[in-house]
Amino acid sequence: KAGVTQTPRYLIKTRGQQVTLSCSPISGHRSVSWYQQTPGQGLQFLFEYFSETQRNKGNFPGRFSGRQFSNSRSEMNVSTLELGDSALYLCASSAGADPGEQFFGPGTRLTVL
Amino acid sequence: AQSVAQPEDQVNVAEGNPLTVKCTYSVSGNPYLFWYVQYPNRGLQFLLKYITGDNLVKGSYGFEAEFNKSQTSFHLKKPSALVSDSALYFCAVRDPGGNTPLVFGKGTRLSVIA
Repeated sequence: KAGVTQTPRYLIKTRGQQVTLSCSPISGHRSVSWYQQTPGQGLQFLFEYFSETQRNKGNFPGRFSGRQFSNSRSEMNVSTLELGDSALYLCASSAGADPGEQFFGPGTRLTVL
Repeated sequence: AQSVAQPEDQVNVAEGNPLTVKCTYSVSGNPYLFWYVQYPNRGLQFLLKYITGDNLVKGSYGFEAEFNKSQTSFHLKKPSALVSDSALYFCAVRDPGGNTPLVFGKGTRLSVIA
């Protein structure tokens, strides 16, 4: 089975721009979660989707949004980028609603200049 | 709301010695607990989990963790450390009582010295 894939792997943007990151979960997985990883803050939870419905949302401003499609693929969007948005964005998928282990993608490294 | 604390930012251990990476948690009910490892420039990899049952959980690469309800801890252990164990380790908790996400600690960097 192919693992979780994230595109693009690296991204450089300037302040004020917007960005869309994509995540394809493991085949058959219906739950997708997004995390922001920074050296000082560790992993911070962004969103969790299950069957196209947002189940949970972390404590991030409204500039961060996401969605999940019927094929379980997910996207997250960050508008009006700020320097502090520079981070590794990780996507994870799991089989269902139960709290089984999550399978992580390699991440998208976003740099905001 | 649930939370996780990893009190040590860095743990250094000599190769062949036992290692422990500490984790304490706070959750309203019985927790679901996880350990993940992150190697450089890689995503997180699942190591082990505690859902219910035996308090000693065995996982990948020879790691194990002990669930201690009275101390609200879930420390990660390995009897003999390898240089290849050097990585960033994350503890995570999920409250099964509500519709809540998986919450991660800030991570502990383990360095195993040859």
